[in-house]
Parts: sequence; structure tokens; C-alpha cells
Amino acid sequence: DAKTTQPPSMDCAEGRAANLPCNHSTISGNEYVYWYRQIHSQGPQYIIHGLKNNETNEMASLIITEDRKSSTLILPHATLRDTAVYYCIVISGNTPLVFGKGTRLSVIA
Amino acid sequence: GEEVAQTPKHLVRGEGQKAKLYCAPIKGHSYVFWYQQVLKNEFKFLISFQNENVFDETGMPKERFSAKCLPNSPCSLEIQATKLEDSAVYFCASSAVPQGYQPQHFGDGTRLSIL
Repeated sequence: DAKTTQPPSMDCAEGRAANLPCNHSTISGNEYVYWYRQIHSQGPQYIIHGLKNNETNEMASLIITEDRKSSTLILPHATLRDTAVYYCIVISGNTPLVFGKGTRLSVIA
Repeated sequence: GEEVAQTPKHLVRGEGQKAKLYCAPIKGHSYVFWYQQVLKNEFKFLISFQNENVFDETGMPKERFSAKCLPNSPCSLEIQATKLEDSAVYFCASSAVPQGYQPQHFGDGTRLSIL
């Protein structure tokens, strides 16, 4: 079973920031928070990951709370091409990826 | 290569026939993973390899499913005596180090249709 909970769906206006929340209250000290997305029926695309500190790359930012029980993925300027299902996954070094139901993000023009 | 390459993109088999799917991991990646996604629902982990050795097979069905990663060859996932319920998209992913420390990179999948 997935160790994360995410809202089933969200809408975001094009050009605005999309903030996708994730709860992982049972996360262990050695577990990372990963975000992937699946656009239509393509293969999951890696977005970003982190352990304790906030992270930023060319795609997104990841904000992890100090107690690590929740995180937020931020797409700073959402475009129509960001419409996808976003998965928040908690993983340690020896476990497979467990995809939950994710959040279906719809970016609206 | 720089991408995980899965072949074929689509595979149609009659019930009871064999199906074989292939995956070429990113060059230099030692770990290969297979996942099954039925009807755009949740993914199911099947099996992973470290080079040619099975790393984790906890998700692999005990019957009809087998997989291999041989040196200098694409990895393969084979389903014997296919059933309607095997219809799904099968994704392969690879990573350079054990899962968790670096991301897995996915191919675009093989869509298997059992008629």
C-alpha cells in the first residue's frame, strides 16, 4: 500500500503556480520523498526528490516540512503540458516504487 | 542509450499464447525494474534486477511470468499462456544505483492486449 495520501484532483490556471500537497505522516528517517508524473499514457517521468531539505530543479520545487510528515510540489508557472497525474512516493534504499492513485492536475487555459 | 527503450510498443496476443516484452536500460544503469499498469490504474511492481541477478521478485506472479537480464542483451519479461487479465501496459525502468538514492527512469511501456 502507498504510504502517501494526495488529493484526487486539482485545477490550476495556466501561468499560475501549481501547489500539489502530499501527506506522508509515517515516513521513516531514511526514506526519501519522490515525485513523478504520468502524462496521458506515457511512462512515469521523474520530477524531483528530497530527504530533508527543500529542493529545486528546472522543473519544480519541493518543500518538505520540518517534521517531514508532508511535502508540497510546486510547479512555478504551470502550462497546459503540465496536465498529468502526479505521484508522491516515499521510498528507502531497498523498496520498489509504490504508486498510489496520485493527483490529477488539470491546467486550464 | 540515454533513454529506456521498450519494444514492442504494442503487442496483441490471443488468450493462451506467449508474450515477450523487451527493455534496454539506460547505458551504465545496473538496475532494471518491471511494473504493470492495468487500465491506467495503480502500478504494480513485478521484479527488479541488479545486472543479470534478480534483486527483488516479491511482486512477480508465481505462475506464467518470468524475466531475465542477460549480459549484452535487452532484458525481457515473458508471459506464458496469457490470460485476459494480463492485458495492461508494462513499464520498464532503470537506475544507476539501488532504488531510493537516485531516480528510476522509465520507458514508454509496452501495451499488451490479450484477445
